[in-house]
Amino acid sequence: DAGVTQSPTHLIKTRGQQVTLRCSPISGHKSVSWYQQVLGQGPQFIFQYYEKEERGRGNFPDRFSARQFPNYSSELNVNALLLGDSALYLCASSLSGSSYNEQFFGPGTRLTVL
Amino acid sequence: DQQVKQNSPSLSVQEGRISILNCDYTNSMFDYFLWYKKYPAEGPTFLISISSIKDKNEDGRFTVFLNKSAKHLSLHIVPSQPGDSAVYFCAASEGAQKLVFGQGTRLTINP
Repeated sequence: DAGVTQSPTHLIKTRGQQVTLRCSPISGHKSVSWYQQVLGQGPQFIFQYYEKEERGRGNFPDRFSARQFPNYSSELNVNALLLGDSALYLCASSLSGSSYNEQFFGPGTRLTVL
Repeated sequence: DQQVKQNSPSLSVQEGRISILNCDYTNSMFDYFLWYKKYPAEGPTFLISISSIKDKNEDGRFTVFLNKSAKHLSLHIVPSQPGDSAVYFCAASEGAQKLVFGQGTRLTINP
């Protein structure tokens, strides 16, 4: 069975640009969460979507947005990129919207902002 | 404010011995705690969890202990194996919708 997939694997952008990251959950999983992991830190929660609706939002500026599609895949958009947005962006899927269910993480997208 | 803290950035243990990874938290509303393991170039992988109504959960070589009064949890790995070398994150569930992670501890198992 395919796990969580994310694309692209790596991405280089310049300040002020916009970026879109993509995530495909495990088949049958209806919830997708996004995390940002800065070097040397643990993952930090950005968004959770369940059944195409936003269920939770972390402490991130409005430059960060996301959506979930009818097939449960998801996109994370970041506008007006800053140097500090350079990080590993992780997507996790789970059966339901509860974090009591195991979350399965993808390998991440490494974003570098120059 | 760091609600989940792993104060040891790294830990080195000899193969066959016990590895003990520690985690402290400040939010008394956390009711579910998890440990994740991460290899380079891979996403975190779930290892073991514990509900706040328990003080111990065991799964094979892995045992998690929870001390609610001290707001402290620990992961014990016995015996430690070379394949256990990875970064370990503890995480806590807040409102059943998001996980709050610690900074991680890099565990190295020496032969």
